[in-house]
Amino acid sequence: KNEVEQSPQNLTAQEGEFITINCSYSVGISALHWLQQHPGGGIVSLFMLSSGKKKHGRLIATINIQEKHSSLHITASHPRDSAVYICAVRYNYGGSQGNLIFGKGTKLSVKP
Amino acid sequence: GAVVSQHPSWVICKSGTSVKIECRSLDFQATTMFWYRQFPKQSLMLMATSNEGSKATYEQGVEKDKFLINHASLTLSTLTVTSAHPEDSSFYICSAPLGGGNTDTQYFGPGTRLTVL
Repeated sequence: KNEVEQSPQNLTAQEGEFITINCSYSVGISALHWLQQHPGGGIVSLFMLSSGKKKHGRLIATINIQEKHSSLHITASHPRDSAVYICAVRYNYGGSQGNLIFGKGTKLSVKP
Repeated sequence: GAVVSQHPSWVICKSGTSVKIECRSLDFQATTMFWYRQFPKQSLMLMATSNEGSKATYEQGVEKDKFLINHASLTLSTLTVTSAHPEDSSFYICSAPLGGGNTDTQYFGPGTRLTVL
């Protein structure tokens, strides 16, 4: 069974704190996405990675293929970072258009 | 960067009516688009894969006669919820990959919130 597990489900932080959100998956994947969903529902793709580490501004995403685990880090968190962060993976179906399987998301609230 | 739009952003309709939702890739061509549904406090679930010029591929449990998908051009896919019922009330999101390979980036539309009375 293909599953994507995220932790924690909910996270409250004070402005300026370093935040880590974790994602684990069960079998081999071709790509992993980190997405941000704001209260209005719109989704923004933050990262897509298949190995190593990526950084964009205050956001850092890492993936460990052997351990089937990825983390999203936010440095110097800010109230505007408050959103639901979703991990999604594309499993190795063998085709070129494998669909994404989504985690349930981590709801982050950053307090000023 | 690549942009995907959806129209309408929200719609309220009476039970039994049909609702059409459009998904457009604004500055790139997408031979494939994906339609997702998200119920409150649930994760996104893939409903179907829309393929330009051919039939859509539906996920298990999704009724193809109820959720009609038409991918008429390289920049437009439409999802029609036919004979909508209150249980169809949900947030519908489309996405389109830029690239075409296994490691392509997905661009998501802003979503359409459907409420069926």
